[in-house]
Amino acid sequence: RKEVEQDPGPFNVPEGATVAFNCTYSNSASQSFFWYRQDCRKEPKLLMSVYSSGNEDGRFTAQLNRASQYISLLIRDSKLSDSATYLCVVNGGGNTPLVFGKGTRLSVIA
Amino acid sequence: ETGVTQSPTHLIKTRGQQVTLRCSSQSGHNTVSWYQQALGQGPQFIFQYYREEENGRGNFPPRFSGLQFPNYSSELNVNALELDDSALYLCASSAGGGLVSGNTIYFGEGSWLTVV
Repeated sequence: RKEVEQDPGPFNVPEGATVAFNCTYSNSASQSFFWYRQDCRKEPKLLMSVYSSGNEDGRFTAQLNRASQYISLLIRDSKLSDSATYLCVVNGGGNTPLVFGKGTRLSVIA
Repeated sequence: ETGVTQSPTHLIKTRGQQVTLRCSSQSGHNTVSWYQQALGQGPQFIFQYYREEENGRGNFPPRFSGLQFPNYSSELNVNALELDDSALYLCASSAGGGLVSGNTIYFGEGSWLTVV
């Protein structure tokens, strides 16, 4: 089982749609969780951290379920500018490096 | 934008050659990590340097090596290039010596390496 697995995508959605991305991780000792956004041929950029209580940033909501080792990202009212690859990222616990999922590509269509 | 700069941005090498990629960290950041991102994949951790010492390494062979300098700039060296080394190589800087947390890491724009 891969350390971090994401929906394979791509997701093609119309503007204004709600889209959800799912991610599972294998290391139960993982302590920190993030969603990164990566535009085509650009570097990854932090979108948001994911907290156990769930957190929201405008149209973006992240959820963490430690028991199921599952992370999600919900994007409401999709914009054309949301088109990108979304990377699920997990810190392996303790002094271990970040582990990135393969990413899920989102295309928002007018 | 992030204060992390990488060079060159693009390069083409032939199989068997050696390559050096460079990274200038954000001011005040003493930790640098390198990632390899192949097409369609997420970034894979290569190694990390803190105060000029390697303090973490991913599952990469010894022909991937690095250096960090007193000014905290860094190099990634790859010897005996293989076709599968073709990828985007990302440098990331942060403050603090532990393996970085995702909310404190700042990526450069990367170096695109093509091995032919």
